[in-house]
Order: sequence, then structure tokens, then C-alpha cells
Amino acid sequence: KQEVTQIPAALSVPEGENLVLNCSFTDSAIYNLQWFRQDPGKGLTSLLLIQSSQREQTSGRLNASLDKSSGRSTLYIAASQPGDSATYLCAVRRSTSGTYKYIFGTGTRLKVLA
Amino acid sequence: GAVVSQHPSWVICKSGTSVKIECRSLDFQATTMFWYRQFPKQSLMLMATSNEGSKATYEQGVEKDKFLINHASLTLSTLTVTSAHPEDSSFYICSAAPVVRPISSSTDTQYFGPGTRLTVL
Repeated sequence: KQEVTQIPAALSVPEGENLVLNCSFTDSAIYNLQWFRQDPGKGLTSLLLIQSSQREQTSGRLNASLDKSSGRSTLYIAASQPGDSATYLCAVRRSTSGTYKYIFGTGTRLKVLA
Repeated sequence: GAVVSQHPSWVICKSGTSVKIECRSLDFQATTMFWYRQFPKQSLMLMATSNEGSKATYEQGVEKDKFLINHASLTLSTLTVTSAHPEDSSFYICSAAPVVRPISSSTDTQYFGPGTRLTVL
């Protein structure tokens, strides 16, 4: 059974710091891994998706890496801003073709202080 | 971009009543929709997979007679929480997978709704 864990559970940093959020999963047979952002009481916004054959993806100040063999992914946020404050979720999609099921991690609640 | 809406955005009901939540894909057709539940400060848990024109597939531990799912068209899926109890209070989020997927995309082809906050008194 796939389990997805995120560390740390919560993080509070001053503006401008570079951050690393961690995600680990127990079953390496994944199709892809996706990082989401969730604002309080809101739905999910997709940030980055990494296919199982890829090592990393970048979008603006965000960089996500994937080490499938060790069951780990990291989300790197450069030069953090107060607007980055949110909960960040990673989710893995099973390897079965045509199956869209995502298993979500426990989330990291980020607060960037001005 | 693709938009998924949910209605209502929040609802408060009395214990024992039934509540219907709608999930609509506004500018695309979705053969598959997913329903998730999120308790406070916890992650999303997949409840069921809804396929247009067929019965929903429920995850282990989710009561299908309590959480009725109807995917009557390619743009609408509904979740009905029957005989709701306070422990059913949660944030319910749906997502939709489009029939026609973009050739190239930086994100997976599954779009999430804004969620519905259910409070059962």
C-alpha cells in the first residue's frame, strides 16, 4: 500500500529564504508525482508534475526533483515571499496505465513572514 | 484553462438530513471525476472514482450507501451524503479528468474544484 509522507509538517521562515520541502513514498512504482498548493479553505492548484522518467521540473522560483529509486521528491522554493504561504501537498499517481488515482501526502504548512 | 466548479461552496445541515454536492466541469468534458475528503489539518483522501454512465468505484472503507455518487453527464457528478452525522463534517473536493487531454502539458490532466465545506450539527 502506497504511503506518502511530507516533512516538515509545518514551517515558518522569514521572507527571502530558500526552502526545501520533502516528500517520501513507500512504493517506487509510480507513474508520476505532482506538487500542489492549497490555500486555506480552497481547492488545489497544481504547481509541478514530474513524470517517473524525469529527474526534475522547474517553474519560476520552484524546482521539484524526483529520486524514484529512493522514494523521494523535494520541492525547492527560491527567495520565498509572503504570498507563498500555503499548504503544499505532494501526490503520487500509481503506475497502472489509465488509472488517475492520486495518493496525497500529509502536507507541509508554510508561513513566510514579511 | 480548464475550470471545475463545486456547489455549494459551504453547507450547514442538521444531523440525519441528506446533502447533495455538485461538481461541474465548465469548459471541458470529463469521463472520470474523483471525490476526495479532507479533515482539518489532514491530507486529501480519495473516496471514490466516478465514471460517466456507470457505477462509481469506492475506496476501501467508504460506505457506498452513505455516499451516493451519480455521474449522469460528461460535465456533472454529484455526491450525496445521506443521513449525515457530525463525523461527516469535512471538506469535500472533486477533480475531473478531461476526455480530450492536451498533447503537451506541464501538469497532469486532472483539474480540481474549489471544495465544499460541510458542517453537520
